[in-house]
Amino acid sequence: AQTVTQSQPEMSVQEAETVTLSCTYDTSENNYYLFWYKQPPSRQMILVIRQEAYKQQNATENRFSVNFQKAAKSFSLKISDSQLGDTAMYFCAFGLDGNKLVFGAGTILRVKS
Amino acid sequence: GAVVSQHPSWVICKSGTSVKIECRSLDFQATTMFWYRQFPKQSLMLMATSNEGSKATYEQGVEKDKFLINHASLTLSTLTVTSAHPEDSSFYICSARGTGGNQETQYFGPGTRLLVL
Repeated sequence: AQTVTQSQPEMSVQEAETVTLSCTYDTSENNYYLFWYKQPPSRQMILVIRQEAYKQQNATENRFSVNFQKAAKSFSLKISDSQLGDTAMYFCAFGLDGNKLVFGAGTILRVKS
Repeated sequence: GAVVSQHPSWVICKSGTSVKIECRSLDFQATTMFWYRQFPKQSLMLMATSNEGSKATYEQGVEKDKFLINHASLTLSTLTVTSAHPEDSSFYICSARGTGGNQETQYFGPGTRLLVL
C-alpha cells in the first residue's frame, strides 16, 4: 500500500519570500502521479500542481514548482513570492491508474504581512 | 474547465432524519466520483468510490447502509446520510475524476457542512 508523509504540520513565511513544503511517499510502483492540493479557509480543494512520475522534468505552474526526486521518493513544493492568498492547508497526494488518491496529513501554511 | 458543484453547502438537521448531498460535474462527464469526509484540521478520509451505473465501493469501516451512494448519471452522484446522528456531523467533500489527459486528476466540489442536532 502507498503512504504519503508530510512532516511539517505548520509553517509560516513572510510575504514575498519563498517557502518549501516537504512530502515523501512510499510505493513499489513505477508509473504514478503526484499532486499538491491547496485548501484555503473556504475549504475548497484546489489543484496546485501535478507531476507524472515518468517525466523527469519538474512541473511548474507560475509561482509554484516542485522538486521531484523519484529515487528518493520525495516531492516537495516550492512557493515563490509568497502572497497572503497562499495561506492555506496544503496536501500532497499520490495517485495510481486513476484510482483513489492517498493524501498526506497536510501542512498549514501561514503567509505573514 | 473541470468544475464540480455540491449542494447543499450547509445543512442542519435533526437526529434521525436523512440528508441527501448532491455532487455534479458541470462541464465534463465523470464516470467516477469519490466521497470524502474531513474533520477540522485533518486530512481527507475517503469514504467510497462511486462509478456511474454500478454499485459504489466503500472503504473499510464505512457503513454502506448508513451512507447510501447513487451515481445514476455521468454528471451526478448523491450521498445520502440515513438516520443521521450527531456523530455524523462533519464536512463532506466529493470529487470527480477528470477525462482525457486528466484522468488521473480529481477535481473537488466545495464541500457540504453537515450539522446533526
